Formats: sequence, structure tokens, C-alpha cells
Amino acid sequence: NAGVTQTPKFQVLKTGQSMTLQCAQDMNHNSMYWYRQDPGMGLRLIYYSASEGTTDKGEVPNGYNVSRLNKREFSLRLESAAPSQTSVYFCASYEPGASTDTQYFGPGTRLTVL
Amino acid sequence: QKEVEQNSGPLSVPEGAIASLNCTYSDRGSQSFFWYRQYSGKSPELIMSIYSNGDKEDGRFTAQLNKASQYVSLLIRDSQPSDSATYLCAVKFGGATNKLIFGTGTLLAVQP
Repeated sequence: NAGVTQTPKFQVLKTGQSMTLQCAQDMNHNSMYWYRQDPGMGLRLIYYSASEGTTDKGEVPNGYNVSRLNKREFSLRLESAAPSQTSVYFCASYEPGASTDTQYFGPGTRLTVL
Repeated sequence: QKEVEQNSGPLSVPEGAIASLNCTYSDRGSQSFFWYRQYSGKSPELIMSIYSNGDKEDGRFTAQLNKASQYVSLLIRDSQPSDSATYLCAVKFGGATNKLIFGTGTLLAVQP
């Protein structure tokens, strides 16, 4: 039972390059989330998926797209990376109504855009 | 704009002392409140959740909620160097989306 996994752990991109961050959970959770964390800014929600087949924008969606591939997987795509997207990206999952009312976080992806 | 505010710190306390971390939130309709701990370079992990006014204790941790004042706090008794981390306050605002709004976090340093 790995919980929430993210790949890659580290990535360096040049401005304008594209990439996809992968997230998978094995807890059979319905809801999944993508956050970014910048120094002094806390965690900010980029996109979320309340259930398989649905996605919605969070606080800072510009420059990102997401795909809820199936119940387990939720990917985040940067189509044309910008230095402002240098950040640590966390994926999380959550099951509404579960006895433990918490989001479970993956280990994060540290992205640098040059 | 829904907001959650915390003092960024650092909050420095000696080993064995009580650390007090505070958080205010903007939406009076909020029902669920969480404290996450985040070690440097790691992901956040839940340490306390609280839903009703008053105190909730779990080991050395006590969460306190005052909805009238829109204030939630975390007390850590007998602080240990291993408690040194950033503590994130998170609030689940009203509605069915289960989205959390996080504060910027308070860095706690426990001095041996």
C-alpha cells in the first residue's frame, strides 16, 4: 500500500518546454488534488477532481491542464513552462465521508524552470 | 476571497516548553479545521482535526477552536526538537467541494 505516489521527484525544464506530472493513489479515493507550494505562499490549489470524470479549477489554474485518467490517476500538464512555475508540486487524495477526514499527500515533485 | 492567516514565524521555544500556534480564517460558514505538520523537504501530514468549539486533545497536542472569533490554535506541550517543522493551518470552507484553503504556515524551532 504505497498511498499517493508522484513522478518525477525532480525536474528541470527550459522555458517553453512541456511536461506532465504524474500522480497515482491506491487508496480507492474519489477525490484528487494538485497543489503548488512556494516559499511564503503556503499550499495553493491548482486543480482538483471531485470524482472520476470531473475536474475543476482551483485558485491558480492558469498555465496548467489536468486529466483524471481513471480513479487512481490524476496528471498535471504544463504546456509551455515559465519560470513562474518553478515550485514544489503536491498531489493529494481524499475520500469524502471516510472516518479519517484528511487529504493524503504524495512526496512532491520539485520543478525548476530556467 | 476566502483566507487563512498564520504568523510565519519562526517561533522559537526551548525544549519542554509549550508552543502555541495560531490561525484565523475569513469565512464564518467554515465547519472543518485541520493542522498539518510539514518537515523540511517533505509533504504535509495531518496531526489534528477539529470541528466543534472548544478543545480537542491528542497526546501532547491540543487544538482549540473559537468559531465566534474565527480563530483556531494548536498547543504543543513538552515541545521536543523533533517537533521542529512548519505547521500549516487548513480550513474546509462551506460547500460540497471538500477543498481546503491553507495558511502560509508557521515555522516552529524547538531549541535543545
